[in-house]
Amino acid sequence: DSGVTQTPKHLITATGQRVTLRCSPRSGDLSVYWYQQSLDQGLQFLIQYYNGEERAKGNILERFSAQQFPDLHSELNLSSLELGDSALYFCASSVDASSTYEQYFGPGTRLTVT
Amino acid sequence: QQQVKQSPQSLIVQKGGISIINCAYENTAFDYFPWYQQFPGKGPALLIAIRPDVSEKKEGRFTISFNKSAKQFSLHIMDSQPGDSATYFCAASKAGGGADGLTFGKGTHLIIQP
Repeated sequence: DSGVTQTPKHLITATGQRVTLRCSPRSGDLSVYWYQQSLDQGLQFLIQYYNGEERAKGNILERFSAQQFPDLHSELNLSSLELGDSALYFCASSVDASSTYEQYFGPGTRLTVT
Repeated sequence: QQQVKQSPQSLIVQKGGISIINCAYENTAFDYFPWYQQFPGKGPALLIAIRPDVSEKKEGRFTISFNKSAKQFSLHIMDSQPGDSATYFCAASKAGGGADGLTFGKGTHLIIQP
């Protein structure tokens, strides 16, 4: 158990809908990263927040957004969902802002868009 | 552009043997190289990591070998056990401004035969 929690575990929704994925980092960690894992693209970095502020952006679509709240939990919002958005979404947390510190992954949310 | 290339895609090793997974990177700004282990239905778990100031790091049965000039690094699993059967990902990241999370290889599906 990494100490990172994610809810929900599974999510099934229809195209065009909007969903919110939630992540709570390990105790003491200030950074939260979001990653998408799909069969064709593999594991891809989406976005990072550090202590409430956006720190780095990766291959995140404009339809996707994230935020980190004062209690350090983070939410990833996915809107206008398409079939191709079906994937596993992981968050990871780290003690520091730099991505060269150990990142610990949560169990993931499996999103299925029908 | 695939910045971290991982091979082989799949690997079958007999119990007690040595499993070797290789990765090559292109971006010389990378300065942190972790390996992750992922079981089906679980999030990636940090296994071992290395920084380019050392050529080898060992933790138990797991060893990372790092060749900075060749821009290659590898994971060796000694005395491989059936419980090691999983998917392994190499990754890389860089410190400082413009940091953008972990860049992952495509993964190696490892099967240890009893």
